[in-house]
Amino acid sequence: KAGVTQTPRYLIKTRGQQVTLSCSPISGHRSVSWYQQTPGQGLQFLFEYFSETQRNKGNFPGRFSGRQFSNSRSEMNVSTLELGDSALYLCASVRMDRAGETQYFGPGTRLLVL
Amino acid sequence: DAKTTQPPSMDCAEGRAANLPCNHSTISGNEYVYWYRQIHSQGPQYIIHGLKNNETNEMASLIITEDRKSSTLILPHATLRDTAVYYCIVSSSNTGKLIFGQGTTLQVKP
Repeated sequence: KAGVTQTPRYLIKTRGQQVTLSCSPISGHRSVSWYQQTPGQGLQFLFEYFSETQRNKGNFPGRFSGRQFSNSRSEMNVSTLELGDSALYLCASVRMDRAGETQYFGPGTRLLVL
Repeated sequence: DAKTTQPPSMDCAEGRAANLPCNHSTISGNEYVYWYRQIHSQGPQYIIHGLKNNETNEMASLIITEDRKSSTLILPHATLRDTAVYYCIVSSSNTGKLIFGQGTTLQVKP
């Protein structure tokens, strides 16, 4: 099976702009989770979508939003970018079975806000 | 979700077994123990997970104590490519949420 795809891989934006990141999960997986990784805060959970519905949300401001489409692909959007939003944004494709949930991560999108 | 405690760093000689410990004394009955690793600037890689029983796959073995308050990840024959940050995470199912701590930086040396 193909792995998790994230686009774009690298992005440079300026303060005040908005950005949309895309994630295609592994075929057959209906749940997608998003994470932010920074040197100071480490890996932090943003939100999770299952069957087009946000099921769980982390402690991030409303500038961070997401959505999931009927084909399970997901996007996350950050509006009014701040310097502190510079980070590696990771998407995880979630497999659910009798052994519980397993998350498979994509390569990430590295965002630099100038 | 229960909190985990891991040593910040460990060294291991190439070819030897690497044993990475994790304490999760507040784990509840429906929480799984997951192990992930992250090689610099890449996405975390799933290694193994378990609920109560010991588990083994092609990458590693997971040993969970009978009281489930601690676990050990075993890489049987460490190679230089196993140098990474290893995260032990405790999480219940159906949340889609993993809480990452600081992990253990494993340095495999020749």
